[in-house]
Amino acid sequence: DTGVSQNPRHKITKRGQNVTFRCDPISEHNRLYWYRQTLGQGPEFLTYFQNEAQLEKSRLLSDRFSAERPKGSFSTLEIQRTEQGDSAMYLCASSSSEYTGPYNEQFFGPGTRLTVL
Amino acid sequence: AQKVTQAQTEISVVEKEDVTLDCVYETRDTTYYLFWYKQPPSGELVFLIRRNSFDEQNEISGRYSWNFQKSTSSFNFTITASQVVDSAVYFCALSGGGSGNTGKLIFGQGTTLQVKP
Repeated sequence: DTGVSQNPRHKITKRGQNVTFRCDPISEHNRLYWYRQTLGQGPEFLTYFQNEAQLEKSRLLSDRFSAERPKGSFSTLEIQRTEQGDSAMYLCASSSSEYTGPYNEQFFGPGTRLTVL
Repeated sequence: AQKVTQAQTEISVVEKEDVTLDCVYETRDTTYYLFWYKQPPSGELVFLIRRNSFDEQNEISGRYSWNFQKSTSSFNFTITASQVVDSAVYFCALSGGGSGNTGKLIFGQGTTLQVKP
């Protein structure tokens, strides 16, 4: 399977704990995005990487959130001191700017569903 | 600011009926991109179409068609002869264009389509 993969698919944690999610984009894609989706809403942008550089962060990304993309391959999203309001589906997407233009369609992974008790 | 509005929260049709999903967007960019994504019950977002702001030609792909009208800032999606497998949440999304833009997607709230047999 050469699509975007995310792990874990589900995470249940207690308030105050730290959690980390991983995203493996499509291998030739240099652009990687994180979004958050709450029930009944559309996905909301969190952050964007081009290769290993984090070029944009949303105001939604509080100081408790940090994302990395070492070596421009996989990415991790860490949430420290989780709160119940962090419960959501965290989606990763990747796209390429190499072939057909800078704003190609983004391919989404299956998401990580986080539940904070 | 950029915004996407999908005023229809839920639509229910009987199989073989035609259905149109509405999307209205706001942007100050002169170059931008519009997208439709499908989110089936499995949860993974599936890309359907991308349209750039300079191309107002309608597009047809099988039972799907899209009507882009800059004059009304709308990008509506029609499914002809709907099928039960079309049941899903459909999202309209907007991405800014121009140099320096990251390609992040601004999503609408989604329209839940239920197709009954």
